[in-house]
Amino acid sequence: NAGVTQTPKFQVLKTGQSMTLQCAQDMNHNSMYWYRQDPGMGLRLIYYSASEGTTDKGEVPNGYNVSRLNKREFSLRLESAAPSQTSVYFCASQVGLAGGPGDTQYFGPGTRLTVL
Amino acid sequence: AQKITQTQPGMFVQEKEAVTLDCTYDTSDPSYGLFWYKQPSSGEMIFLIYQGSYDQQNATEGRYSLNFQKARKSANLVISASQLGDSAMYFCAMRGLSSGSARQLTFGSGTQLTVLP
Repeated sequence: NAGVTQTPKFQVLKTGQSMTLQCAQDMNHNSMYWYRQDPGMGLRLIYYSASEGTTDKGEVPNGYNVSRLNKREFSLRLESAAPSQTSVYFCASQVGLAGGPGDTQYFGPGTRLTVL
Repeated sequence: AQKITQTQPGMFVQEKEAVTLDCTYDTSDPSYGLFWYKQPSSGEMIFLIYQGSYDQQNATEGRYSLNFQKARKSANLVISASQLGDSAMYFCAMRGLSSGSARQLTFGSGTQLTVLP
């Protein structure tokens, strides 16, 4: 099992360019998440998908869109990148929205994005 | 709304000694879960330990234990017998578990632990 995978690992964009960050999980989890991590801060939720076919905004959704392509894949799109979106982006997955020890979120390795 | 506070930006500990990383939280959710994650310099987020708000006993996972004091709203991570490989950033996080709660993880700002040889 690869767990949660993300592509690309690194990306440099110019202001105004667009790109899509890809995330896939092979754990048959229902819920998937996108976070950003800025220096000196914890992770902040951008968007999440409780189950296939649904998406919801998190704490910092502005400037982003998401697509839950199928149960395995959850992509994050920056339509017009801005320097404020320079960050490390993490994808995570979880069995479901229910709580309990079995519902830990498992994270991908992250994507380091720089917007010039 | 949920909030996690980690007041120690950096901590140092001697190898083989124990260290406590502080975490306090605030939530209006009567049922919630508390998590600790480790982030080494390589950047990945590694789950360490979980504590449910209604769990009667403090959680333990190998050298990690969680000192859960519900009345004080604290969930401190204790690492026993520190190893050089424990040097990393540690994040406390929580999630409301009641129906209707957002169910998202809220993270603290982290504590950078350095283990000295």
